[in-house]
Amino acid sequence: GDSVTQMEGPVTLSEEAFLTINCTYTATGYPSLFWYVQYPGEGLQLLLKATKADDKGSNKGFEATYRKETTSFHLEKGSVQVSDSAVYFCALGPQAGTALIFGKGTTLSVSS
Amino acid sequence: DAGVIQSPRHEVTEMGQEVTLRCKPISGHDYLFWYRQTMMRGLELLIYFNNNVPIDDSGMPEDRFSAKMPNASFSTLKIQPSEPRDSAVYFCASRPINNEQFFGPGTRLTVL
Repeated sequence: GDSVTQMEGPVTLSEEAFLTINCTYTATGYPSLFWYVQYPGEGLQLLLKATKADDKGSNKGFEATYRKETTSFHLEKGSVQVSDSAVYFCALGPQAGTALIFGKGTTLSVSS
Repeated sequence: DAGVIQSPRHEVTEMGQEVTLRCKPISGHDYLFWYRQTMMRGLELLIYFNNNVPIDDSGMPEDRFSAKMPNASFSTLKIQPSEPRDSAVYFCASRPINNEQFFGPGTRLTVL
């Protein structure tokens, strides 16, 4: 079945460091791909999305490109801030349009 | 729009008691989802509805859990009787047909 695999955390970085969180997926058809972020004590919020191959989603300095050839949707940010500390979830939206399938989440901790 | 609304935000109860969690989805959204989040198991989909009809309840852990959606603006998740292992954060989410899910702030349940 469809699935999402994220890199294990936690990821610990210093402020202004470069961030990459890997995400790969298995799916039939042409799913949409998402990154959600969860700040402490809050629900998940959509960070960015891409709906077809080669699309790049971007928001708040974060970017991810939908790579069909490598079935990947890696999250990147050039310079992280302390306020980026959160849990990041990669998710897949099956083409049939049912529930999103989430990865296990990656905890990011940024120190000043 | 106020977003997805959940109540209560925190619930502390004793083992054996009935617990009812409530959710008001975003107006006009066709789908409603209930998730459970724990440190051990991550984010789990419990059940989801389409146009008030339950579509997939395979994630409901056991018969002690039940969910209803009597109309388009209200859903409940009930646990009867509750057990300590049910302690978790329960999220409700809703979405329109185009796949982007919006999450509520969650209900933190503690069963003593």
